Amino acid sequence: KNQVEQSPQSLIILEGKNCTLQCNYTVSPFSNLRWYKQDTGRGPVSLTIMTFSENTKSNGRYTATLDADTKQSSLHITASQLSDSASYICVVSKSNDMRFGAGTRLTVKP
Amino acid sequence: KAGVTQTPRYLIKTRGQQVTLSCSPISGHRSVSWYQQTPGQGLQFLFEYFSETQRNKGNFPGRFSGRQFSNSRSEMNVSTLELGDSALYLCASSTRDAYEQYFGPGTRLTVT
Repeated sequence: KNQVEQSPQSLIILEGKNCTLQCNYTVSPFSNLRWYKQDTGRGPVSLTIMTFSENTKSNGRYTATLDADTKQSSLHITASQLSDSASYICVVSKSNDMRFGAGTRLTVKP
Repeated sequence: KAGVTQTPRYLIKTRGQQVTLSCSPISGHRSVSWYQQTPGQGLQFLFEYFSETQRNKGNFPGRFSGRQFSNSRSEMNVSTLELGDSALYLCASSTRDAYEQYFGPGTRLTVT
């Protein structure tokens, strides 16, 4: 079983709507949790990085939250744009070991 | 600052051949990590180099190897290619503590 599970696998929303992506992990303890955005055919780009002691981190319209007790993180996207169409990957790091989620494929339609 | 560059961007090889991929990190970054990304397995960590030394290694067979040069540029080599090696190979560079990683565009390898 993967130590980092993301849901949903894919999501379609209309432009302007908000959405929330989920990441559940079993890696413990961990150093930090990251969210990446990956456009098709490109390398991932870091959106947020949180240590285990942080609850929330924002980057523009992207807000990540972390609940270390329930081992859950979410990425909330506000007022979605067509350019938000991409895969979003959750990564949990423990020392030098990084565990990747399979990603959520988000499609924003006009 | 220029970003992480990877060459070549696309590559087609046949089974049994070997391949070498190159990665130039962001200036000043001394850590380079390599990843394999496939639709079925997602992103998987291959190895990390820091100051010309392999600092961390993932769970891949010995056919996958790498090295780092004194200018921090890194190469990854795959010998005796198999069909399953078809993937997007990504490299990421970071400073010493690897807190913030910056990914390159990747090399798309197709093995026929």
